[in-house]
Amino acid sequence: NAGVTQTPKFQVLKTGQSMTLQCAQDMNHNSMYWYRQDPGMGLRLIYYSASEGTTDKGEVPNGYNVSRLNKREFSLRLESAAPSQTSVYFCASVIQGDYGYTFGSGTRLTVV
Amino acid sequence: EDQVTQSPEALRLQEGESSSLNCSYTVSGLRGLFWYRQDPGKGPEFLFTLYSAGEEKEKERLKATLTKKESFLHITAPKPEDSATYLCAPWGGSARQLTFGSGTQLTVLP
Repeated sequence: NAGVTQTPKFQVLKTGQSMTLQCAQDMNHNSMYWYRQDPGMGLRLIYYSASEGTTDKGEVPNGYNVSRLNKREFSLRLESAAPSQTSVYFCASVIQGDYGYTFGSGTRLTVV
Repeated sequence: EDQVTQSPEALRLQEGESSSLNCSYTVSGLRGLFWYRQDPGKGPEFLFTLYSAGEEKEKERLKATLTKKESFLHITAPKPEDSATYLCAPWGGSARQLTFGSGTQLTVLP
């Protein structure tokens, strides 16, 4: 089925470890986004890519890096994980801004 | 600073008991407002986009409305399968991105 695919679905990291969250969409969407969702705080934008070859910081970029590998793939990297990065991470894509975003099913990350 | 407040945080309804969810926002240069539904353990699912004050959109038992300062999601005769968290997200502001509210968790009891 067409949509946004995120891997892994679950991950436990130790403080200081690094990892990359993968996101791929097969809808030929131009823009892609990484959000984190924490209880009581809603979805907060980490980074986004308005089009292939561009990336920009969102509301909470510290501690993260991103790569727009091609039009389909947008990865999020944690270089040195911290307990404050324990969260559920969602990737989303949209063909253009005024259409509804399509979200992946999320990655639940725990940093101990 | 762009702000979005959803109320109530949680709402329990009996099946068939209609109610409304509120989304109040302060976003400069509003370009639209999105409503999403989120089920536990899943990503948000798009419901509606509203573009201007006075606009209304409907989908089954849901109707969304928009004013210059808030949006309402009206639920008419809800069913247990309408239980979910409903998120609103104004689009615009200084970053020209979506700003999500923290959601209203709706529970519909049979």
